[in-house]
Amino acid sequence: NAGVMQNPRHLVRRRGQEARLRCSPMKGHSHVYWYRQLPEEGLKFMVYLQKENIIDESGMPKERFSAEFPKEGPSILRIQQVVRGDSAAYFCASSPPRGSGRDKAAGNTIYFGEGSWLTVV
Amino acid sequence: GENVEQHPSTLSVQEGDSAVIKCTYSDSASNYFPWYKQELGKRPQLIIDIRSNVGEKKDQRIAVTLNKTAKHFSLHITETQPEDSAVYFCAASKYLLGNEKLTFGTGTRLTIIP
Repeated sequence: NAGVMQNPRHLVRRRGQEARLRCSPMKGHSHVYWYRQLPEEGLKFMVYLQKENIIDESGMPKERFSAEFPKEGPSILRIQQVVRGDSAAYFCASSPPRGSGRDKAAGNTIYFGEGSWLTVV
Repeated sequence: GENVEQHPSTLSVQEGDSAVIKCTYSDSASNYFPWYKQELGKRPQLIIDIRSNVGEKKDQRIAVTLNKTAKHFSLHITETQPEDSAVYFCAASKYLLGNEKLTFGTGTRLTIIP
């Protein structure tokens, strides 16, 4: 059972270019979350999506950042006109549908991918 | 929104001793509290979690306690080993109560001294 798959693992972009990060959730998972982690810092929530819906984007910068989770295919986090401050690790996570038997004993256990490390030069 | 505070930011303990990391949360509606361990350059991995209807949960050397009234929860690691060295994050969310995103604490860098 493959885990959360993210690609690319490492991405280098020049200032002003676009970055696209992809995330395929675990099989059977319908919720996707994106978190950003700056060096030596914690995990900052960016956006929470379900298929074709944005549930919470309160952590997304107002400009240049967008996210989608289409009916078919992976979730995409898109950063336009990147700046040096966008350099970070971007982690995608997924969780199963609410109340699915697997997680009734705990909570909305979310599983993280290996991350995409973006470097803006 | 939810705010999770975590202390200490760094912690060093002798191998074999116990380590305790504490977190507080602000939203009384939060009902699910997981702990994640992150090694350098790796993804965060769930190590233990607890629901608000339970006061304590243990899994071998790791235990979590929850005081719902005071809105704080703690991670306890006993008989620490070098491989316990990592950054630990607490988190909180509202399971089955709408928005289920996790809000994380700022992390604790735990170093086990051989």
